[in-house]
Amino acid sequence: QKEVEQDPGPLSVPEGAIVSLNCTYSNSAFQYFMWYRQYSRKGPELLMYTYSSGNKEDGRFTAQVDKSSKYISLFIRDSQPSDSATYLCAMTLVGNEKLTFGTGTRLTIIP
Amino acid sequence: DTGVSQDPRHKITKRGQNVTFRCDPISEHNRLYWYRQTLGQGPEFLTYFQNEAQLEKSRLLSDRFSAERPKGSFSTLEIQRTEQGDSAMYLCASSLVRSGEQYFGPGTRLTVT
Repeated sequence: QKEVEQDPGPLSVPEGAIVSLNCTYSNSAFQYFMWYRQYSRKGPELLMYTYSSGNKEDGRFTAQVDKSSKYISLFIRDSQPSDSATYLCAMTLVGNEKLTFGTGTRLTIIP
Repeated sequence: DTGVSQDPRHKITKRGQNVTFRCDPISEHNRLYWYRQTLGQGPEFLTYFQNEAQLEKSRLLSDRFSAERPKGSFSTLEIQRTEQGDSAMYLCASSLVRSGEQYFGPGTRLTVT
């Protein structure tokens, strides 16, 4: 079993919909949680960075962390065709910045 | 801020040849990481440096792989005697010490024929 599980999709939603992306993890020592966006044949781009449990909002993006359930989410409001990409969750231990990634979810926003 | 840069962007090589990739981190970042990503998978950690010191290496990094970061600036990743299984995207990232925010470069796509 992988340390971080992420549904690979693909996920297709109409433009303007709310998108929910999720990851589960098995290592309770993870403390820092990130979401990256990766366009085809490009490097990952950092979207959200959170520490421990709670919510963080940045524009149309909201990240949620529930450490008790070992579950993290990324919500995208008012989705746009330009949001079409692969979304990767990543996490790391306190004091150890080696990132452990999920497999990524491929998202398509249909105009 | 010019971001993380990597060179070359794409490398095609024959099995058994040696290849070397270069990464230039964001200028004030003292941590530099190498990851490998295969199709349909998330990046997997290979190794990382703080300044010029290599602090951790993954079991994925066989003895055919070597990484250096002379003078704590740019880094090189060399693969000797390439195998078809080495075909992947090689990603470099950088961060400040003890910051979880890693910023990635565009990657070097390696194809071994």
